[in-house]
Amino acid sequence: SAVISQKPSRDICQRGTSLTIQCQVDSQVTMMFWYRQQPGQSLTLIATANQGSEATYESGFVIDKFPISRPNLTFSTLTVSNMSPEDSSIYLCSVGTGGNIQYFGAGTRLSVL
Amino acid sequence: GQQVMQIPQYQHVQEGEDFTTYCNSSTTLSNIQWYKQRPGGHPVFLIQLVKSGEVKKQKRLTFQFGEAKKNSSLHITATQTTDVGTYFCAGNTGFQKLVFGTGTRLLVSP
Repeated sequence: SAVISQKPSRDICQRGTSLTIQCQVDSQVTMMFWYRQQPGQSLTLIATANQGSEATYESGFVIDKFPISRPNLTFSTLTVSNMSPEDSSIYLCSVGTGGNIQYFGAGTRLSVL
Repeated sequence: GQQVMQIPQYQHVQEGEDFTTYCNSSTTLSNIQWYKQRPGGHPVFLIQLVKSGEVKKQKRLTFQFGEAKKNSSLHITATQTTDVGTYFCAGNTGFQKLVFGTGTRLLVSP
């Protein structure tokens, strides 16, 4: 397994601003993922964070809105840009291990006013 | 795109009753995983099934993978209040990405 630290755990932001979420893992991992989970809903994959190259975004998510960095094998950031109330959600990072199992961070609870 | 549906959406049981959630994928899966998310928590990996028809048990939890590798089930025997949470199946089609099911929220009353 892996120990994942995600910061901040929660935030309240103003419309039009940006928030950067950090995800730190205690060991080197190949795969890191970012998900969005709206209250009472399932998890939706935003993108796969690739080390040394641009993230791979899922349909409906674009780099301008959700820029992702992955400078090394233990760290990634997700920025939620130009926020609106519709961006209020829980954002989760996860890491993939051998065998496709994923381990999740505790999540960032974002409210946009 | 690939869809993974779960039924029921929600179930409320009395402690000691059994519980089952069913998971159906629109496409054939390489493997399926199950995660549990406690209220206010994050998803936690429970188990992975790989083979057609596979059955695995973890104490009171029994997991099945369908013969066609498009469906799965999780059965909990004699529920306890600690079983409360949302159970998600997650399908893998051979790549690292997972597609999460819609989830089943379980509430257990003492």
